[in-house]
Amino acid sequence: GAVVSQHPSWVICKSGTSVKIECRSLDFQATTMFWYRQFPKQSLMLMATSNEGSKATYEQGVEKDKFLINHASLTLSTLTVTSAHPEDSSFYICSASTQVAYEQYFGPGTRLTVT
Amino acid sequence: AQSVTQLDSHVSVSEGTPVLLRCNYSSSYSPSLFWYVQHPNKGLQLLLKYTSAATLVKGINGFEAEFKKSETSFHLTKPSAHMSDAAEYFCVVIPYSSASKIIFGSGTRLSIRP
Repeated sequence: GAVVSQHPSWVICKSGTSVKIECRSLDFQATTMFWYRQFPKQSLMLMATSNEGSKATYEQGVEKDKFLINHASLTLSTLTVTSAHPEDSSFYICSASTQVAYEQYFGPGTRLTVT
Repeated sequence: AQSVTQLDSHVSVSEGTPVLLRCNYSSSYSPSLFWYVQHPNKGLQLLLKYTSAATLVKGINGFEAEFKKSETSFHLTKPSAHMSDAAEYFCVVIPYSSASKIIFGSGTRLSIRP
């Protein structure tokens, strides 16, 4: 139980284009989803927290107009990287939880490479 | 303020020898504590968790951890390392507060020598 999927698992895009990453909770309803970014050999950095049906809460320093997060249902959240640039290349990981301060279930991650 | 410190950025052991990955936390409230493992280019897999039940927690793949409140520690151990244990390990704290967030340690890279 408590499986979270991400799609795609890897994506290469050209600079200036937008990329959408999906995060799905497959066997439970996720009231809260989290998006993380991970640089090589570093820990996860929380980008934003989203609750179903409401606007995402972004961490300090994360551009909300560049990283659009939508949590339209209890099983799906999307992260759209708009006008991507090479510095946006990273490993993006989502997680889902049934409550804000409880255990999170992590997706397998999406490797984004912007050329 | 809540925080979590993984005391070693890299640990190297020989196959078949014990593993010890150290984690200390700081939390104003009774926390929930977790250890996750991440293999290269993969997501995080839960190894074990402590949520105020037994202080010695057994996880998957032979790992276990002991919650020591007096030492504010939650060290991860395994009696005998296997080559497949080579990965990055994260200690994670969730303070007991509805307004709080998950706090990640900086990670410990475990290498296994043949």
